[in-house]
Amino acid sequence: EVQLVESGGGLVQPGGSLRVSCAASGFTFSNFWMSWVRQAPGKGLEWVANINQDGSEKYFLDSVKDRFTISRDNAKNSLFLQMSHLRADDTAVYFCAAGPHGDYLEFWGQGSLVTVSS
Amino acid sequence: QSALTQPASVFGSLGQSVTISCTGTSSDIRGYDYVSWYQQHPGKAPKVIIYDVSKRPSGVSNRFSGSKSGYTASLTISGLQAEDEADYYCSSYTGSSTLVFGGGTKLTVL
Repeated sequence: EVQLVESGGGLVQPGGSLRVSCAASGFTFSNFWMSWVRQAPGKGLEWVANINQDGSEKYFLDSVKDRFTISRDNAKNSLFLQMSHLRADDTAVYFCAAGPHGDYLEFWGQGSLVTVSS
Repeated sequence: QSALTQPASVFGSLGQSVTISCTGTSSDIRGYDYVSWYQQHPGKAPKVIIYDVSKRPSGVSNRFSGSKSGYTASLTISGLQAEDEADYYCSSYTGSSTLVFGGGTKLTVL
């Protein structure tokens, strides 16, 4: 059974940092592009970042480009999103997702809530 | 990285068909045959129902179909069932190796 399990979300003050993680199982993690997608409360989906199979290619939403970093550890089947200089409008559920190529997202986690507030 | 344009809501009766449109630009929908559609029920994770414009993942009902013409992609759901009531999002690959989503469409089954 495919599983993507996010962790690390929580409450952080504006300007602070947080790292969310995603543990994958049930598929060959190293063969998949991985993405982070977020959903602000009551709003739609927003793609945030992705990383290719070996970590050599990384792409970001313009509004997070200088603040967020994406990485992966294929030996541990894990994906990470390091977020810094967080703002109130970064408040969202952050979903981890996997796709065989970079064009669609086949598997999704249940999400981890990140709340940026003082 | 502007969002694709979807209607905010659509309505359909049980057993009928509905079509949801998704309009983009030459940098996304018009430029690539990499449109996907996702179904999201309240409080749940999204689920892919169409990828590469018209392909259905294993296990997805053939009542869901996708197409594309020019700048607009479409999702058609035939034989509407109560369980189809959900939010639907389109997405497209872009020329920058990124993805962009539509604003989402809430489907209400009457």
